[in-house]
Amino acid sequence: NAGVTQTPKFRILKIGQSMTLQCTQDMNHNYMYWYRQDPGMGLKLIYYSVGAGITDKGEVPNGYNVSRSTTEDFPLRLELAAPSQTSVYFCASSYLSFADTQYFGPGTRLTVL
Amino acid sequence: EDKVVQSPLSLVVHEGDTVTLNCSYEVTNFRSLLWYKQEKKAPTFLFMLTSSGIEKKSGRLSSILDKKELFSILNITATQTGDSAIYLCAVSAGQNFVFGPGTRLSVLP
Repeated sequence: NAGVTQTPKFRILKIGQSMTLQCTQDMNHNYMYWYRQDPGMGLKLIYYSVGAGITDKGEVPNGYNVSRSTTEDFPLRLELAAPSQTSVYFCASSYLSFADTQYFGPGTRLTVL
Repeated sequence: EDKVVQSPLSLVVHEGDTVTLNCSYEVTNFRSLLWYKQEKKAPTFLFMLTSSGIEKKSGRLSSILDKKELFSILNITATQTGDSAIYLCAVSAGQNFVFGPGTRLSVLP
């Protein structure tokens, strides 16, 4: 079991560029999440998904999009990158609900210059 | 607005000390409270608490929840340098998952 994997580990973008952060889990979890963590801050929920084909906004969705075509994959798309999106992005998954333990990927450190 | 507050934000102790980390919350439709340890990368799960007054224990770590007073504590006894990390408290509330800012614990040899 690889758990939750994320690619890339690091990325530098220029303002206005776009990119997709990949997230895959092999635990057959229904719920998947994207968080961002700014320095010295807790994690903030960007988007989540309760199953294939179903996604919803979290606390800070602006500037991001997601899709969930399969149970395993939950990519996060950044359109028109801005310096405010410089952060560490974590993908997580849980089995049945928000109340369950979430398992985190290793994170992607994104810098927008 | 759902909110999770942790205190202290930063703590420096010596090996062998006992520490207590605090987490208080104000959320609607509380479901569970979770503690995570974050070293250099991803948070790793420590405890999940759903019922008041029941202590969860794992080695030198223990945690308890008070749903009436809306807080939880995480205790670490006989601290070791390997306990140095950020300890995150998170609350599952309805269709939301809210993290506190974390407590940065530094254990000196």
